[in-house]
Amino acid sequence: DTEVIQTPKHLVMGMTNKKSLKCEQHMGHRAMYWYKQKAKKPPELMFVYSYEKLSINESVPSRFSPECPNSSLLNLHLHALQPEDSALYLCASSWGLAGGTNTGELFFGEGSRLTVL
Amino acid sequence: QKEVEQDPGPLSVPEGAIVSLNCTYSNSAFQYFMWYRQYSRKGPELLMYTYSSGNKEDGRFTAQVDKSSKYISLFIRDSQPSDSATYLCAMPGYSSASKIIFGSGTRLSIRP
Repeated sequence: DTEVIQTPKHLVMGMTNKKSLKCEQHMGHRAMYWYKQKAKKPPELMFVYSYEKLSINESVPSRFSPECPNSSLLNLHLHALQPEDSALYLCASSWGLAGGTNTGELFFGEGSRLTVL
Repeated sequence: QKEVEQDPGPLSVPEGAIVSLNCTYSNSAFQYFMWYRQYSRKGPELLMYTYSSGNKEDGRFTAQVDKSSKYISLFIRDSQPSDSATYLCAMPGYSSASKIIFGSGTRLSIRP
């Protein structure tokens, strides 16, 4: 199984709502990532988990709260979002973190398209 | 200066043409060089990666790295409409727990 599965595919929420994005992979990867992608822009790293521990937080506002319940699952909890947070949220996984001799090849899901009204 | 620079295009070529996509980078410590392809409304997928300088070929795709010029290229031969996508170059940073650094992506359209 070489898939990264993200749910839901589409989400519309108001600024006062609380919602969650979910991601799972069964490839045995030990690193999982959340990226945000705006139209016609490259993916922008938000969070990285390595062995279920938060490894990188790219100074993301606290209205985004990641959670890694186990090595196969990654959640992104959303609360009090702004309209400018509307974007495609991509989950990715890799065998390990990039660096040194490790390419950190990323396997991406299809994304969750979020619209904040 | 951005660590990775890529012309965003859009680039439109006729079917069957040879396509050249390019990136420049500033950090001479980069060792691995990757190309991701992203179709509209999908997540990126790894197309090819190369280590250090040289060429790597996979079917109609050739990745080329020139570390002396800090310049990488992706060539697509006999381009097909199904190659229409955004192509992102990417490089893992050198430190032990670093992130993948993406170029801005080039939007490519192959006209039938």
